[in-house]
Amino acid sequence: GAGVSQSPRYKVTKRGQDVALRCDPISGHVSLYWYRQALGQGPEFLTYFNYEAQQDKSGLPNDRFSAERPEGSISTLTIQRTEQRDSAMYRCASSSDRNEKLFFGSGTQLSVL
Amino acid sequence: AQSVTQLGSHVSVSEGALVLLRCNYSSSVPPYLFWYVQYPNQGLQLLLKYTSAATLVKGINGFEAEFKKSETSFHLTKPSAHMSDAAEYFCAVSGANTGKLIFGQGTTLQVKP
Repeated sequence: GAGVSQSPRYKVTKRGQDVALRCDPISGHVSLYWYRQALGQGPEFLTYFNYEAQQDKSGLPNDRFSAERPEGSISTLTIQRTEQRDSAMYRCASSSDRNEKLFFGSGTQLSVL
Repeated sequence: AQSVTQLGSHVSVSEGALVLLRCNYSSSVPPYLFWYVQYPNQGLQLLLKYTSAATLVKGINGFEAEFKKSETSFHLTKPSAHMSDAAEYFCAVSGANTGKLIFGQGTTLQVKP
């Protein structure tokens, strides 16, 4: 596609439910990153992949958060047993190589009630 | 470890006036420094990037930033503000030339006619 696509654009869920957020990177981009942005804050790194390999997951807050990129293209960020503190904008970015500039998607706004 | 501090969460200038957005960083290794811009309902877009090649970095839309090691600063400037510059601006640092970035809290730029 022309840019990084994220779905859904908005997700409202109840506390305790699982959610899956999808990221479709720019075609051919090797690296894919997940960030979380709370209101009034800058993005916070969560995890990143080169191809299908998860290179760094040091930013995942706890074991309720996981991510995968099984075929080296589309990635899914899963949050299990959601809590209100998980409410934030979740942003995905991709790059053609690890040291090239990031292209960000418009994000998924997650609200946990 | 790296960190970024953006001085001033809101900056207001008149159209045609100088834009100055302040960023100070902390890094235990030679830093890579970035400025990103975020327009409403859009993803972050790279304005410019410092990778030690030159201390004065020119970016898109007439923006530039100067790396000053002695002051640990990387302030963003533009000689003449345009209405279309109104957005949120983020400074970011990385200890390696990857997409794993540490972002500041952001500065919202308002441009008055």
